[in-house]
Amino acid sequence: QVQLVQSGAEVKKPGSSVKVSCKASGGTFSTYAISWVRQAPGQGLEWMGGIIPIFRTAVYAQDFQGRVAITADESTSTAYMELSSLRSEDTAVYYCARGPEHTSYYDTSGYPYFFDFWGQGTLVTVSS
Amino acid sequence: EIVLTQSPATLSLSPGERATLSCRASQSVTGTYLAWYKQKPGQAPRLLIFGASSRATGIPDRFSGSGSGTDFTLTISRLEPEDFAVYYCQQYGDSRYIFGQGTKLEIK
Repeated sequence: QVQLVQSGAEVKKPGSSVKVSCKASGGTFSTYAISWVRQAPGQGLEWMGGIIPIFRTAVYAQDFQGRVAITADESTSTAYMELSSLRSEDTAVYYCARGPEHTSYYDTSGYPYFFDFWGQGTLVTVSS
Repeated sequence: EIVLTQSPATLSLSPGERATLSCRASQSVTGTYLAWYKQKPGQAPRLLIFGASSRATGIPDRFSGSGSGTDFTLTISRLEPEDFAVYYCQQYGDSRYIFGQGTKLEIK
């Protein structure tokens, strides 16, 4: 069974950066896309971007382009999301998520149609 | 960009009742790429339905999904106490994902 375990809560100052990790276990890491989804307090889910570790090239939502960097380390089966130029509106829980094991639910780009596995979430608080 | 609009924003029902949640897309969506999630406070979302109508592993058969084109529905046939939560629809396209704003299902 795939498990995604994220790093702990962070408190950051406005203007700084935060890097959240997501360690995968129980399945193949390199060929399955990892996405990052955030949820501001009391708000809905917002996809930020994703990466297929073996390809090392990330895709990003337009709203985060230029401010987020998603990377992956195949040697440790860990994905990372770094968000820079933090502002108070970035206060949120950040989740990593992955698709199912069965590759029939993936399109030709390697991204899944839905998320079957989620990390536990990492609260990032941006406050002066 | 496709927008998913969920309605109602809040649904107040009693255990045992039937719940019908709507997800409307701003343009036609392939059902294969439409999923539903349930989220309880302090927890990560959990996949309920994928491909518009297929139940995920371990999801009880009181949950069903239907729809096509721009209109999709999640139905819970008889509400159990653990079903009161927030529900999100999600659409996939071109390596990107869009979520609806959610429907809160609360106990009446």
